[in-house]
Amino acid sequence: AQSVSQHNHHVILSEAASLELGCNYSYGGTVNLFWYVQYPGQHLQLLLKYFSGDPLVKGIKGFEAEFIKSKFSFNLRKPSVQWSDTAEYFCAVKPLNTGGFKTIFGAGTRLFVKA
Amino acid sequence: DVKVTQSSRYLVKRTGEKVFLECVQDMDHENMFWYRQDPGLGLRLIYFSYDVKMKEKGDIPEGYSVSREKKERFSLILESASTNQTSMYLCASSFGQGNTEAFFGQGTRLTVV
Repeated sequence: AQSVSQHNHHVILSEAASLELGCNYSYGGTVNLFWYVQYPGQHLQLLLKYFSGDPLVKGIKGFEAEFIKSKFSFNLRKPSVQWSDTAEYFCAVKPLNTGGFKTIFGAGTRLFVKA
Repeated sequence: DVKVTQSSRYLVKRTGEKVFLECVQDMDHENMFWYRQDPGLGLRLIYFSYDVKMKEKGDIPEGYSVSREKKERFSLILESASTNQTSMYLCASSFGQGNTEAFFGQGTRLTVV
């Protein structure tokens, strides 16, 4: 079945540690790729997106993600996390061969950053 | 800024009640979506609409229906609420097809007792 898999459900880091959250998807065609973030008590918001071009994309707050087509992966990274990065992170894929409407989400990764 | 507004942050309803969740967006987006968010399951698509009066089933449409009479408004209807529909419901909107991101409302936490 087509799906989006996030490797970790819960991650606990200390401030200044590096972060990498894994995401793999199973759609074979052209896709749009996203990472969304949900801070405690806030609505879901876009962190970064990949549509085409440079596979290394930069988002807000120092986050970046790399699209590796051969691995069907779109991993999220940040060199040095802050306490304010505590949130839930969702990887999402929009297959363009199904009309380009539906966005499919992973199960989410809860990140807790210790001060 | 795009604004997607859901009519309620919290709702408590009784089993068997008919429940309406309302969503309004102010950016003239063609597409609107209803998701439910459950711990460990992420966001699952219930229904979406790509135009007024048009609707498509998502991955978990059972027990739900939708209505889109105006472009800016998309309603989710629980015909007869059940306890397994207790969840966080998220509305989203987006512009056009492909190469666009979705914008989300703040969510409605529905509890069915």
